Amino acid sequence: AQTVTQSQPEMSVQEAETVTLSCTYDTSESNYYLFWYKQPPSRQMILVIRQEAYKQQNATENRFSVNFQKAAKSFSLKISDSQLGDTAMYFCAFSRFKAGGSEKLVFGKGMKLTVNP
Amino acid sequence: DAGVIQSPRHEVTEMGQEVTLRCKPISGHDYLFWYRQTMMRGLELLIYFNNNVPIDDSGMPEDRFSAKMPNASFSTLKIQPSEPRDSAVYFCASRSGNTEAFFGQGTRLTVV
Repeated sequence: AQTVTQSQPEMSVQEAETVTLSCTYDTSESNYYLFWYKQPPSRQMILVIRQEAYKQQNATENRFSVNFQKAAKSFSLKISDSQLGDTAMYFCAFSRFKAGGSEKLVFGKGMKLTVNP
Repeated sequence: DAGVIQSPRHEVTEMGQEVTLRCKPISGHDYLFWYRQTMMRGLELLIYFNNNVPIDDSGMPEDRFSAKMPNASFSTLKIQPSEPRDSAVYFCASRSGNTEAFFGQGTRLTVV
């Protein structure tokens, strides 16, 4: 069974600084997807970024980028120029690849990020 | 599309009562997931459906929980009888292929 581990339960950062959130996972699959979701106080789960395991290039979305290390089974999220609106719970998630179909997402326990003014 | 729609947003009920949570997935999504979120256990998958058929219900905690998907646009999660330890936020999500899962706003359930 796949597992996702987020070892840092909580972090804080000053506005405009850069912060990195860590995530490791365990799987025997060779093809899969990784995601970072954000959950602000509104409770809505919002996709931040996704990475396909077969792609060597790290995904980026504006201020958000990942460091995907497939051999180490590591998937960290870097937030540049942190903003107050980045304050939220962040969840790392794993999903096996399924041709022509879909699979469940397995989530880590989450990490609370606070951006201070 | 309006996204995944869940109702109610909040539910407060007394122990022993039946609770029904509702979900409307995004049109065209053929997979639907029910998750439960608590502080202690994080996000747990309860059950998921493919084309209205339950695929994996191994996460359903006990027989008090049941889920149905009578058609492609509607699913329910029922708890009968409810207990205080069922208090949590329940999320419904839908997905198509290997894209991300889209989540509803969640239902905060409080059993007193």
